[in-house]
Amino acid sequence: EVQLLESGGGLVQPGGSLKLSCAASGFTFSVYAMNWVRQAPGKGLEWVSIMSGSGGSIYYADSVKGRFTISRDNSKNTLYLQMNSLSAEDTAVYYCAKDRIGGGVHNAFDFWGQGTKVTVSS
Amino acid sequence: EIVLTQSPDTLSLSPGERATLSCRASQSFSSTFLAWFQQKPGQAPRLLIYAASSRATGIPDRFSGSGSGTDFTLTISSLEPEDFAVYYCQQYGSSPYTFGQGTKLEIK
Repeated sequence: EVQLLESGGGLVQPGGSLKLSCAASGFTFSVYAMNWVRQAPGKGLEWVSIMSGSGGSIYYADSVKGRFTISRDNSKNTLYLQMNSLSAEDTAVYYCAKDRIGGGVHNAFDFWGQGTKVTVSS
Repeated sequence: EIVLTQSPDTLSLSPGERATLSCRASQSFSSTFLAWFQQKPGQAPRLLIYAASSRATGIPDRFSGSGSGTDFTLTISSLEPEDFAVYYCQQYGSSPYTFGQGTKLEIK
C-alpha cells in the first residue's frame, strides 16, 4: 500500500525558513518523480515543485523559484522541501504527491499525502 | 504558463442528476496531460481521470472525461451523495503545472 507522510510544518515568522519532509513507502521510491503541491486556507491547489526519481529533472513554480529547494534521499525514501524567505503568502497546507508512472516527469499525481500545515506569521 | 479556467464555479444539483464540469485552457495542449481531481473538506485530492479520459484505479464508471485542445469536460453520469465535493482540473504537460480554480459541486 502506497503511503506518503508529510512532516515539518508549523508556525514560522516572516523571513524565516522551514524544511518539510515526505516519507514514502509501499513503492520503489527511486523510480518515481515526486511533487509538492500547496493549498492556502480556503483556496485552490497550487503546484510548487517536482523532482524526478533520479533527481536529474527539477522544476519550480515561479512563486517559489529562488526561495524553495526540492531534494530527495532515495536511500531513505524521503522527499524534502527547503523553504526560505517565507512570507504570509506561503501559508498553506503542503502536500507531497507521487507521479503515476515511473521513469520521468509529466505524469498525473496518483497518490497524495495528508499534508502538513505551514503558517507564516509574526 | 497555461491558465486553466473551470466553469461553473458552483454547480447545484440533486443526487441522480448528471453533472457536467468544464475546464478551458488558455492555449492548446495534448490531452495526454490533463487530469481531474476530487477533493472533500479536510482531505487530500484524489485522482479521478488522467490523460483526459482514463479513469484512475478504483474510480467508478459514472465518472468520465473527454475533450482535446483547449476544452475538457468531466461528466458524472448519475450523482451519488458522496460525489458532492470540489473538482479540479490540472495540466501536467509543461512546467509550471497548473490547476483550475475548482468547481464546487453542491447538493441542491
